[in-house]
This record gives sequence, structure tokens and C-alpha cells, in this order.
Amino acid sequence: GQSLEQPSEVTAVEGAIVQINCTYQTSGFYGLSWYQQHDGGAPTFLSYNALDGLEETGRFSSFLSRSDSYGYLLLQELQMKDSASYFCAVRDSGQAGTALIFGKGTTLSVSS
Amino acid sequence: DADVTQTPRNRITKTGKRIMLECSQTKGHDRMYWYRQDPGLGLRLIYYSFDVKDINKGEISDGYSVSRQAQAKFSLSLESAIPNQTALYFCATRGTRNYGYTFGSGTRLTVV
Repeated sequence: GQSLEQPSEVTAVEGAIVQINCTYQTSGFYGLSWYQQHDGGAPTFLSYNALDGLEETGRFSSFLSRSDSYGYLLLQELQMKDSASYFCAVRDSGQAGTALIFGKGTTLSVSS
Repeated sequence: DADVTQTPRNRITKTGKRIMLECSQTKGHDRMYWYRQDPGLGLRLIYYSFDVKDINKGEISDGYSVSRQAQAKFSLSLESAIPNQTALYFCATRGTRNYGYTFGSGTRLTVV
């Protein structure tokens, strides 16, 4: 089977840096993605890592280590609007290998 | 107009009733997906389709069926709704050259 593990909750203050970790166990691997979801809204795509290393997009960065089956999302200069749930997801190794399997999500609370 | 439109946005139905959730997209993507979200469980894959003639079961397809009426339309049906199908349902699309999924705004379904 496949599984993804990420912390259920993280808290931080405005201006801080927070790291949300994700470990995965999959029969195949086609990349690690991150999504943000504000309270019951549509999940939105943040980043995708297929190769080892760090990908930076503005205040957000995502890291992947395939040998460790591990990745993280790094959020810098936190703002109140970053309070949301964050999901890691891997591409399934099923029939065509392109359906995402999601973790259970990490709720980030940013306080002032 | 939204790229991915789900209807209805909210629905309350009775146990045993048949209900259809609809999804349409204007992005021209060939790949479409149905996910279910329950509190604390993340997003779980129900069905996915790579084109009109291709339908695949996800991890929780029991009790659900789908129809890909056209490239732009992908419907999810609950043949006989039961209370534990109460959840937030999301449709998503992905293009061949894209890494990220585009999600609809979701349908909140309550089965009483």
C-alpha cells in the first residue's frame, strides 16, 4: 500500500519560518507535490519536486530526498493569510501513474 | 467563470436516494479526478479518467460510479446514498504538460 505521514498541526507567529515535513511509502514514485487549502475551499497547487533538492517559489520552498522518502515545505516570512491546511501528495504508481495520493494534511495556525 | 465548476455547491439528500454530482472544466485538460474529503482524513481518490473512454477506480470507489460524458464533463453518482457518504467532494483536472491539479470549489453533500 501507500502512505504519507505529515504532522497534524503546526503553530507559528507572523514573520517566522516553519517547516512541514512529509514522509512517504509508495510502490512507485513520480514526484512529491504540495497543496494549500483554506478552510473548506479548493486546494491550490504550490509546488512539485521530481528530483532531489530544493525548489524555491517566493516565500515558499519545497525539498525532496528520494533516498530518504522524505520532503518538506518551508514557509518563510509567515503571514496571517498563510493559516491554512497543507497537503503533501505523491503520484500513484497505478495504471497510468498519474493520480495523486494525498496525506492527511497539516493545519498551520499563524498568530500575531 | 471558474476553470473547474462543480454543481451543486451544497446538497442534502436522504438515505437510499440516487444523487449525481457534476463537474465541468474549461481548461481543455484530458485528465479528471474525483476526491472525497473528510475531516482529518485528507483527500481520498474515488475515480479518475484520462479520456472519455478511460475510467479507473481509486482507493474508495465502492458505492460510487462515474461517467465521462465529454472531455470537459465528469460526473460522480451515488447510486444509493448512505450517511457515511456525507463529505466534501472535489473534482480536479490536470493537463498532460502540467504538474499541478486544478480543483473545483467542491460540493458539500449531507446524507440524512
